[in-house]
Amino acid sequence: SQKIEQNSEALNIQEGKTATLTCNYTNYSPAYLQWYRQDPGRGPVFLLLIRENEKEKRKERLKVTFDTTLKQSLFHITASQPADSATYLCARGGAGTALIFGKGTTLSVSS
Amino acid sequence: EAQVTQNPRYLITVTGKKLTVTCSQNMNHEYMSWYRQDPGLGLRQIYYSMNVEVTDKGDVPEGYKVSRKEKRNFPLILESPSPNQTSLYFCASSPRTVGEKLFFGSGTQLSVL
Repeated sequence: SQKIEQNSEALNIQEGKTATLTCNYTNYSPAYLQWYRQDPGRGPVFLLLIRENEKEKRKERLKVTFDTTLKQSLFHITASQPADSATYLCARGGAGTALIFGKGTTLSVSS
Repeated sequence: EAQVTQNPRYLITVTGKKLTVTCSQNMNHEYMSWYRQDPGLGLRQIYYSMNVEVTDKGDVPEGYKVSRKEKRNFPLILESPSPNQTSLYFCASSPRTVGEKLFFGSGTQLSVL
């Protein structure tokens, strides 16, 4: 079955550093990967989508990569701020209609 | 404002008492979906709908029903709730089925006693 795994449940970093979150998938390569941010008790909010033919995508301080050889996506937040503290979800798409979500990585940025 | 609206935000009920969680979107999206989120299990899809009168099961459909009589509404029905359905529920929509970002509602925290 298709799986998607976010290896770290939690990541703690200092303000100003770059946060790097990892998402690994199994079986065939998805057509795209999506990243969402979720604050406690709230619905996820879409951040970025990267397609399998794209190596990298950027949006302001966010960068996401897609490595089909390693079956992995990396999500980077540069110059992190306490306001970036949240849970970040990775989701895979592909054949079929469902987005399959990882369990998320909770990022804590301390000042 | 473009949004997905769920109601109620919080709901406490007892085992066996039928309930409906409403979901409405004002973006004319074709695709709508329900997820439940549990600690340690992440977001799991319950049901989805690709358009009006078209619904299908997700990963965890047991104990739930849905309907899609209008494009904007996608209610989630629990005919006979049980304690294992205590969870945080999210409705989501997207313009089309594949390759589009999802817009999520604010969530419904359901407790079944």
